[in-house]
Amino acid sequence: AQKITQTQPGMFVQEKEAVTLDCTYDTSDQSYGLFWYKQPSSGEMIFLIYQGSYDEQNATEGRYSLNFQKARKSANLVISASQLGDSAMYFCAMRDPNQAGTALIFGKGTTLSVSS
Amino acid sequence: EAQVTQNPRYLITVTGKKLTVTCSQNMNHEYMSWYRQDPGLGLRQIYYSMNVEVTDKGDVPEGYKVSRKEKRNFPLILESPSPNQTSLYFCASQSHRSTEAFFGQGTRLTVV
Repeated sequence: AQKITQTQPGMFVQEKEAVTLDCTYDTSDQSYGLFWYKQPSSGEMIFLIYQGSYDEQNATEGRYSLNFQKARKSANLVISASQLGDSAMYFCAMRDPNQAGTALIFGKGTTLSVSS
Repeated sequence: EAQVTQNPRYLITVTGKKLTVTCSQNMNHEYMSWYRQDPGLGLRQIYYSMNVEVTDKGDVPEGYKVSRKEKRNFPLILESPSPNQTSLYFCASQSHRSTEAFFGQGTRLTVV
């Protein structure tokens, strides 16, 4: 069965520093997709970045990059130059390859706190 | 503007009183899902729909019903809510051509 593990319940970083949020996944399938979502205190889920299992290059979106290490089954999110507005909960998710659709398997989340 | 709209955003109800949380998307997406989010557990899928009149159970379907009579709407029905269904609920939709799932704003439900 597919599973996402986020081992850091909370992370603390100062403004302008880079931070890495860890995510490991477990699947026996060769084709899958990995996602990161941000959930600010207001509650909405904001899509950040996507990595396909066959993508050869790590995905990047502005200050977000995904450090994809397929052999280690890890998909860590790197936020460069942290800002106060980055304080939120972050979820790593994987698309269930057995279910074509919106089925996402989520980790338990990491709360990021950015201080000035 | 492309969006997924849930209503209501907040709801407090009593045990056993039937309720419906509506979800509507304006992107003509085929796929729609419902999730619940609980502290320490992340988001778990309740039900999903691959198209009109096609629905199936997710990981935690007990106590919930759904219907997909129209492509844009995917309501979540709690026939007899119980306190353990107090949670934050999200509706999501996705096109089969896209990798990204679009989430609604969330519905915070409290059952007393």
